[in-house]
Amino acid sequence: AQSVTQPDIHITVSEGASLELRCNYSYGATPYLFWYVQSPGQGLQLLLKYFSGDTLVQGIKGFEAEFKRSQSSFNLRKPSVHWSDAAEYFCAVGAGYGGATNKLIFGTGTLLAVQP
Amino acid sequence: DGGITQSPKYLFRKEGQNVTLSCEQNLNHDAMYWYRQDPGQGLRLIYYSQIVNDFQKGDIAEGYSVSREKKESFPLTVTSAQKNPTAFYLCASSIAPGGLHYEQYFGPGTRLTVT
Repeated sequence: AQSVTQPDIHITVSEGASLELRCNYSYGATPYLFWYVQSPGQGLQLLLKYFSGDTLVQGIKGFEAEFKRSQSSFNLRKPSVHWSDAAEYFCAVGAGYGGATNKLIFGTGTLLAVQP
Repeated sequence: DGGITQSPKYLFRKEGQNVTLSCEQNLNHDAMYWYRQDPGQGLRLIYYSQIVNDFQKGDIAEGYSVSREKKESFPLTVTSAQKNPTAFYLCASSIAPGGLHYEQYFGPGTRLTVT
């Protein structure tokens, strides 16, 4: 069955430091992968997505992610974190079923705190 | 501006009452979804609809019902049969079902508290 694992529940980084959030997926075919960000009490905003092609994808707000098929990973990175990046981050994999629905399987999220 | 609206932002109900959460989109998207979010559990799919007058159960549909009478609207009713209804509910939409159009756009959410 398809699944997404975000092994870090909570991460704290200093402002200006680099960031890497981990995401591992389980999916039989080529996955469609996403990273979303959620500020407290808000909806989810798409940061970036991978469908095919270049395995390093650029997103909004200076984020990037690298798809590594051999490791079943899609880690999110940012070279220098800003205080406004404090939020919860969700990795998701797009899974098609019999009727080819647009079902997303979400990880449990990583809560990022940024220290001044 | 195109987007998804959910109302109200906060909703309070007494146990035993049904309650309906609104979701409207003006993105001209065919597919719409309802998710439930609980702390530490990510998002779980309740119902989805690929086209008007059609909808399918997701992973946790028990105690919920939906309708899709118009393309832009996908209301969710939380019934009294839902054992633990207090949660944050998110509505989403995508251009089309199937194919490569997996990108989902989310509304701001409704926080439901049942006491």
